[in-house]
Amino acid sequence: GAVVSQHPSRVICKSGTSVKIECRSLDFQATTMFWYRQFPKQSLMLMATSNEGSKATYEQGVEKDKFLINHASLTLSTLTVTSAHPEDSSFYICGGNRAGSYGYTFGSGTRLTVV
Amino acid sequence: SQQGEEDPQALSIQEGENATMNCSYKTSINNLQWYRQNSGRGLVHLILIRSNEREKHSGRLRVTLDTSKKSSSLLITASRAADTASYFCATDAIGANSKLTFGKGITLSVRP
Repeated sequence: GAVVSQHPSRVICKSGTSVKIECRSLDFQATTMFWYRQFPKQSLMLMATSNEGSKATYEQGVEKDKFLINHASLTLSTLTVTSAHPEDSSFYICGGNRAGSYGYTFGSGTRLTVV
Repeated sequence: SQQGEEDPQALSIQEGENATMNCSYKTSINNLQWYRQNSGRGLVHLILIRSNEREKHSGRLRVTLDTSKKSSSLLITASRAADTASYFCATDAIGANSKLTFGKGITLSVRP
């Protein structure tokens, strides 16, 4: 089946630094990748839609300059949290849709802790 | 904004019993999907039901969809301790460019 590899699984960083999260579709080409964040015991909230070769589409209220998304190839999408603050601490997860499949394949998520 | 609303929010059952989880949504959809999430882990796609389908089975899973009531249910039969997880419904709404909107989730605990 389709696999999305997400790295790192956990990261602790200092306030003010930037963190990059990578999502790779291992056995399919993902023209679109969706980025979600999840706070403890809450649901997943869509942050942005990453489109290969074009600019990402951000949901209302999500700062595009803070959460930089790059989708340079059909198999790699990255999310960079810039100038991280403790309130950015959360679980970030990416998901892609394999062509011809309605179900989405999600990465294993990244637990970001900003100290 | 969240589209799906599951109920109950938490469910605790004995191993071997059936677990029924419900989801309601607000707008017209292309399909509705159910996902499972173990604590602190990624999401696993369980089953998808299209808007023109009313019922679907996959192993111990049975999902129904009532578009007139904008609701869906997920039934897990003969539950096992390993089914303990959070379950989310997610809708692919018409006109949403394939974006999935997730409900709040249901925490299922299966006691051995």
